[in-house]
Amino acid sequence: DAKTTQPNSMESNEEEPVHLPCNHSTISGTDYIHWYRQLPSQGPEYVIHGLTSNVNNRMASLAIAEDRKSSTLILHRATLRDAAVYYCILRDVLNENYGGSQGNLIFGKGTKLSVKP
Amino acid sequence: NAGVTQTPKFQVLKTGQSMTLQCAQDMNHEYMSWYRQDPGMGLRLIHYSVGAGITDQGEVPNGYNVSRSTTEDFPLRLLSAAPSQTSVYFCASSYSTSTGELFFGEGSRLTVL
Repeated sequence: DAKTTQPNSMESNEEEPVHLPCNHSTISGTDYIHWYRQLPSQGPEYVIHGLTSNVNNRMASLAIAEDRKSSTLILHRATLRDAAVYYCILRDVLNENYGGSQGNLIFGKGTKLSVKP
Repeated sequence: NAGVTQTPKFQVLKTGQSMTLQCAQDMNHEYMSWYRQDPGMGLRLIHYSVGAGITDQGEVPNGYNVSRSTTEDFPLRLLSAAPSQTSVYFCASSYSTSTGELFFGEGSRLTVL
């Protein structure tokens, strides 16, 4: 499985933008880049995912490098509720065979984001 | 919308006891999985299923059994609990294995004494 590298922790001020980096130098052409976050005492929740082009949704933006070896999750205005552990995960889109494990989400330790008022 | 429902939310067991963690989803998702999360760690995949009647092992399957007799349910069984299985367990589901959003339950906190 292709691996990702994220900083252990980051800090941000409330209402400022946050850029969370992720390195995935061994990414394959069929790997989607997924981001999940886990608020304290909750299960992870989906944030965003993309393949090659930058993606935007109501929660965040995902900027993907042209060579796809890195990506950045952008929270445009951090709030206290955004304090969480953010996971960057690669998920292989080619999982047509039942029993194949490539489509499973394999979590690393993620980046713990702290937001200061 | 119920989404992914896990029961129980909390459980205390003695070493050697058995129990089943229940997971049910009402979204007609084909893919379901179980993760465990130890303090300060990321989630580790225990078992997963790509459809009714099909299950497979994840990263840390030892000590756990699963079955998938219906699309909706994916129970996780601990046959003989050990203190090393003290953890928070999360069930998740998605429409398919390869794309789309994975929906997680709220977790089941298990303590084995």
